[in-house]
Amino acid sequence: GENVEQHPSTLSVQEGDSAVIKCTYSDSASNYFPWYKQELGKRPQLIIDIRSNVGEKKDQRIAVTLNKTAKHFSLHITETQPEDSAVYFCAVLQGAQKLVFGQGTRLTINP
Amino acid sequence: GAGVSQSPSNKVTEKGKDVELRCDPISGHTALYWYRQSLGQGLEFLIYFQGNSAPDKSGLPSDRFSAERTGGSVSTLTIQRTQQEDSAVYLCASCPQANYGYTFGSGTRLTVV
Repeated sequence: GENVEQHPSTLSVQEGDSAVIKCTYSDSASNYFPWYKQELGKRPQLIIDIRSNVGEKKDQRIAVTLNKTAKHFSLHITETQPEDSAVYFCAVLQGAQKLVFGQGTRLTINP
Repeated sequence: GAGVSQSPSNKVTEKGKDVELRCDPISGHTALYWYRQSLGQGLEFLIYFQGNSAPDKSGLPSDRFSAERTGGSVSTLTIQRTQQEDSAVYLCASCPQANYGYTFGSGTRLTVV
């Protein structure tokens, strides 16, 4: 089955700086890669996703890049704000059926 | 409803008791998933329903866990003879097709004492 590894497990950045979270996966046939944000005590929410036919996607301050050859993808958050503090999960669609999630990255934005 | 609804939001049960957790997906969503999230951990896949197809039960951790989905809508996750290691947040998600982003419910926090 699919194996998803996410790094780092914790990340602390100064407000206004950028944050980058990386995930690697094992199944070269995978073609859908979403990112979820989970605030403390709340449900995970989809913030951005990318399909394998594109290499980058942006939505305001967040972007995702995909390298299919190397089987890794990354979340980039620019101009970080306190409300960006949360746990972020990457995921990979396995067998076109179910998402396999990374272990999560706890992002802390320091004022 | 507008979102995925789960009940109860919190459940405290004694070790050895059975529990039932309910998920009401977004209307029209054919795919429904159950995941488990232990404290500070990632999301562990449990079971997946897609339309009228046989469910993918490959993530269920033991035969004490079972789930059903009636009429292609509401799903119930049942845990029999609960153990302390079953304590976690159980999340349900639905999506219109299997290859779209999920919408998660708020989860059921299960505590086995």
